[in-house]
Amino acid sequence: NAGVTQTPKFRILKIGQSMTLQCTQDMNHNYMYWYRQDPGMGLKLIYYSVGAGITDKGEVPNGYNVSRSTTEDFPLRLELAAPSQTSVYFCASSALTGSNQPQHFGDGTRLSIL
Amino acid sequence: AQKVTQAQTEISVVEKEDVTLDCVYETRDTTYYLFWYKQPPSGELVFLIRRNSFDEQNEISGRYSWNFQKSTSSFNFTITASQVVDSAVYFCALSEARGDNFNKFYFGSGTKLNVKP
Repeated sequence: NAGVTQTPKFRILKIGQSMTLQCTQDMNHNYMYWYRQDPGMGLKLIYYSVGAGITDKGEVPNGYNVSRSTTEDFPLRLELAAPSQTSVYFCASSALTGSNQPQHFGDGTRLSIL
Repeated sequence: AQKVTQAQTEISVVEKEDVTLDCVYETRDTTYYLFWYKQPPSGELVFLIRRNSFDEQNEISGRYSWNFQKSTSSFNFTITASQVVDSAVYFCALSEARGDNFNKFYFGSGTKLNVKP
């Protein structure tokens, strides 16, 4: 019953450092998403993927990169961390067809850039 | 323009009170889906309910009920006899149908519910 698993749960980075947030799902979902949630705000879509090898930008992609080499994994990379990227990051997945499918979320990664 | 508006930023009630969380959405599509998610203090997002645009029947699940009204573009969520465990941030979301089957979600900014003992 793992669902969507994100690692790490917490991380502190210095400005300019890089890191990869890991996300894996075991539900064989084709669609995967990365969101960020700033304090007191809703979720904003960073990147999404409709299947292995296919990714596309969401609302706030600047400063991030993604890859999707397998159905299960969808890592998010920060190349040059900036204070504005301090946020909680959520990975989600949904089943193949139709916009009626709920998105299943991981527990989030709380990231602080100092 | 906001696709999903949750005008109530924070609501505080005393245990056993009823509380309604408002959600107003905006879309030009005739086929769309609405969702509610709960985010407890532990931080995870929990899926609560999904409704499609063709089904305006209200739904009840235990102490939870949802009122979907297309005429006012609203999808409100009521908790009856609230409990401390209901304290969380609640998000309303809209999903619009697209030709490529990609379901992009538009989330509201959330309503923080505080239920005091």
